[in-house]
Amino acid sequence: GQQVMQIPQYQHVQEGEDFTTYCNSSTTLSNIQWYKQRPGGHPVFLIQLVKSGEVKKQKRLTFQFGEAKKNSSLHITATQTTDVGTYFCAGPHQGAQKLVFGQGTRLTINP
Amino acid sequence: DAGITQSPRHKVTETGTPVTLRCHQTENHRYMYWYRQDPGHGLRLIHYSYGVKDTDKGEVSDGYSVSRSKTEDFLLTLESATSSQTSVYFCAISDVGAEETQYFGPGTRLLVL
Repeated sequence: GQQVMQIPQYQHVQEGEDFTTYCNSSTTLSNIQWYKQRPGGHPVFLIQLVKSGEVKKQKRLTFQFGEAKKNSSLHITATQTTDVGTYFCAGPHQGAQKLVFGQGTRLTINP
Repeated sequence: DAGITQSPRHKVTETGTPVTLRCHQTENHRYMYWYRQDPGHGLRLIHYSYGVKDTDKGEVSDGYSVSRSKTEDFLLTLESATSSQTSVYFCAISDVGAEETQYFGPGTRLLVL
C-alpha cells in the first residue's frame, strides 16, 4: 500500500545546531503537509506544499517539496528549545480523502 | 485552535468492556477522522467519515466501530477493549478532506487493564 517514510526517527541536537528531517513517499503526491506535535500535545498543522520544487520559509523553518513530488524536507536553522517535539509529514492517499502520515521525527534539544 | 473537543480526556477500563470515545466539532467540517498514536508507530488511521452516516475503514480498524449521526459528532467504539488498544486517540477534522489542513482534537488517553 501507499507509504510515507520519514527519517530519522529520532534526533538530538545542541541548542543552536541545525536540524533536518526527510520525508519520502512511495507515490507521487498532490501535496505534502507538515505537522508539529509538542510533548503531551496534539499535532498542529505547520504548512502545505503543493507545487513541484516548492520552497517555503517560516522564520527559521524551511520546507521543500521535491521536483518529482515524492519527497520533502523540513530544515530548522539554529534550533531553540521551543522547537522540541515530533514533526510529521503527511500526504493524501490516492483515491480517498485521507492522509498517510510518516512515522515522525522526534527532536530533542540540549540547552 | 479549531473547535474540536474529545471526551473523555482520560479513561481507564478493564479488558472486555465496551468503550465509546466522542469527538465533537463546531466547525461544520465534512470530514472527521479517528487516529491512534503509539510509540514508534506515528499516527495510524482507524476510521474516517466523509459525511453523516458515511464512514470508511482506515489501516487499523479491527476491533473498532464508528458512527456519525450528526455532522458535529463522531463516535469511536471499542466493542470489547483489549490491552493492545491502550493508546492515545486523536480525532481530526477537515473541510476538504486530504487536500487541506487537518485540525486535531486534544486527544484521549485510554488505558485498558
